[in-house]
Amino acid sequence: AQTVTQSQPEMSVQEAETVTLSCTYDTSESDYYLFWYKQPPSRQMILVIRQEAYKQQNATENRFSVNFQKAAKSFSLKISDSQLGDAAMYFCAYANDYKLSFGAGTTVTVRA
Amino acid sequence: EPEVTQTPSHQVTQMGQEVILRCVPISNHLYFYWYRQILGQKVEFLVSFYNNEISEKSEIFDDQFSVERPDGSNFTLKIRSTKLEDSAMYFCASRGGGQDQETQYFGPGTRLLVL
Repeated sequence: AQTVTQSQPEMSVQEAETVTLSCTYDTSESDYYLFWYKQPPSRQMILVIRQEAYKQQNATENRFSVNFQKAAKSFSLKISDSQLGDAAMYFCAYANDYKLSFGAGTTVTVRA
Repeated sequence: EPEVTQTPSHQVTQMGQEVILRCVPISNHLYFYWYRQILGQKVEFLVSFYNNEISEKSEIFDDQFSVERPDGSNFTLKIRSTKLEDSAMYFCASRGGGQDQETQYFGPGTRLLVL
């Protein structure tokens, strides 16, 4: 079974600043996908960004970008120019075959 | 933009009762999933479904649980005899089709409370 580890239970960031969330995973596969999902207080799971393991280029979606280090099995999320609406729980997830394996999540608070 | 929908948004039931949670996946998707999230914990995989049969299930998905795609649009999760520990948020997800076929899209969830 794949293990996804998010070592930061909580992170706080000043509005307009940058915050980086860490994620590591364990797998013996070479082809897989990685995701970051956002869960606001409504508890809906919202896709933030995805990364294919075979792509060396780091994915970017507007203010969100990842640092994917395949050899180190690391997949961090950077939120730039943080906004109040970014406050949420963020989950890192690994996908191979049929299911997603999630990390424990990181709660991000944004200070005005 | 197409989205996954789930009904009901909230369900309160007595222990031992049967509940059916409903999901309408995105219309051209082929793979369907149920996950659950106990309050304060991580999201856990329950079951995946493809081509009208279960592809994989977790150890949580015991004989009390079943899934069904009764028609071309709905995907249901049935809990036959609910227990207190079944109280959780249940998410349906779907994927499949086009360039984005590996991405699972989640519904808004059903919050189940077993008393």
